[in-house]
Amino acid sequence: DTGVSQNPRHKITKRGQNVTFRCDPISEHNRLYWYRQTLGQGPEFLTYFQNEAQLEKSRLLSDRFSAERPKGSFSTLEIQRTEQGDSAMYLCASSPSTGGDTEAFFGQGTRLTVV
Amino acid sequence: AQKVTQAQTEISVVEKEDVTLDCVYETRDTTYYLFWYKQPPSGELVFLIRRNSFDEQNEISGRYSWNFQKSTSSFNFTITASQVVDSAVYFCALSEAHHQAGTALIFGKGTTLSVSS
Repeated sequence: DTGVSQNPRHKITKRGQNVTFRCDPISEHNRLYWYRQTLGQGPEFLTYFQNEAQLEKSRLLSDRFSAERPKGSFSTLEIQRTEQGDSAMYLCASSPSTGGDTEAFFGQGTRLTVV
Repeated sequence: AQKVTQAQTEISVVEKEDVTLDCVYETRDTTYYLFWYKQPPSGELVFLIRRNSFDEQNEISGRYSWNFQKSTSSFNFTITASQVVDSAVYFCALSEAHHQAGTALIFGKGTTLSVSS
């Protein structure tokens, strides 16, 4: 199965450390999204890529967060100088660029715990 | 402003009961899309249905049915004869056609459904 793959599945880090997550979307999906989900909440949009271009960033994405999709395939999300408030599930999704009404396919997420 | 409200935080039913999950949305767009996703304990969001704003036809898929009413800005989801495997968190979501970010979704807070045997 070539669904959306995220690594690692779990990450525990000390406050102040940098972490990087990887997302491999469904092949041939041009659109890639990052979301963040905290306990008891729905996912919140962070950023969006169309191929390698980062077209939109949410105001939730502080300067400590950076995302890349260098060759329009996999993407990485880096958090610098992690804070306890960054503890959350980070979800990646992809969709084909065939219009605004196509569903996004989600990965299983990376659960980050900052201690 | 766009918003999705799922007023029911938790619902508990016994197997074979019917259950309806409510979703109310707000948008200024005339073209928009509504979605339901299921999130089982494993964490992966599973797509259930998509509806566009011009299609108010209700839909039935097996034990699942959806009622879309633009007049009340609601997109409710009914599970008939619920089963234990239906236990999960269910999210309603909205995307707007004009949104630059493709199909970036605005999610409600989710409804946790617990089905006991």
